[in-house]
Amino acid sequence: AQTVTQSQPEMSVQEAETVTLSCTYDTSESDYYLFWYKQPPSRQMILVIRQEAYKQQNATENRFSVNFQKAAKSFSLKISDSQLGDAAMYFCAYRSAWGGVLQGAQKLVFGQGTRLTINP
Amino acid sequence: DAGVTQSPTHLIKTRGQQVTLRCSPKSGHDTVSWYQQALGQGPQFIFQYYEEEERQRGNFPDRFSGHQFPNYSSELNVNALLLGDSALYLCASSLDAGWGGYTFGSGTRLTVV
Repeated sequence: AQTVTQSQPEMSVQEAETVTLSCTYDTSESDYYLFWYKQPPSRQMILVIRQEAYKQQNATENRFSVNFQKAAKSFSLKISDSQLGDAAMYFCAYRSAWGGVLQGAQKLVFGQGTRLTINP
Repeated sequence: DAGVTQSPTHLIKTRGQQVTLRCSPKSGHDTVSWYQQALGQGPQFIFQYYEEEERQRGNFPDRFSGHQFPNYSSELNVNALLLGDSALYLCASSLDAGWGGYTFGSGTRLTVV
């Protein structure tokens, strides 16, 4: 079974600075997807960024980027120019790519989360 | 375009009672998954419904059951509630085919006393 570990229960950063959230995972599969989700006080999980394991290039979405190290099974999230609206719980998640056209059947495996605080 | 709608938003039940939570998926989505998120933890997969059948199930007891209707909406039922069932219950919808992007609802906060 796959597992996802986030070793930082809490992180804080000054507004406009850069912060990196860590995530490691364990799997025997070679093809999978990795995600970072944001959960603000509204409780809704919001997708921040997605990485396909077969892609060597790290995904980037505006101020958010990842450092994907497949051999080390590491998937960190870097937030640049932190904004007050970035404050939230952040979850790293894994999803198997097995299943072909039934990829919709695959569940998400989440880490324990990191609470990010932005200091003005 | 409405996203995922869950009801109710909050619920308080007594130990031993039964509860039903509801989820309406995003328009165009045909698959519904349910997750349990205990306080301070990451969500845990309960089960997934597709074509009105349970397709995949996580490590949850039979007290947890579900249903999917022809309009793709879904219900999560929990019988014989325990204090440990207190959690945020999240519904996520997706389209079966393709890479399977998920849209989450805002959840139902269940408190068992």
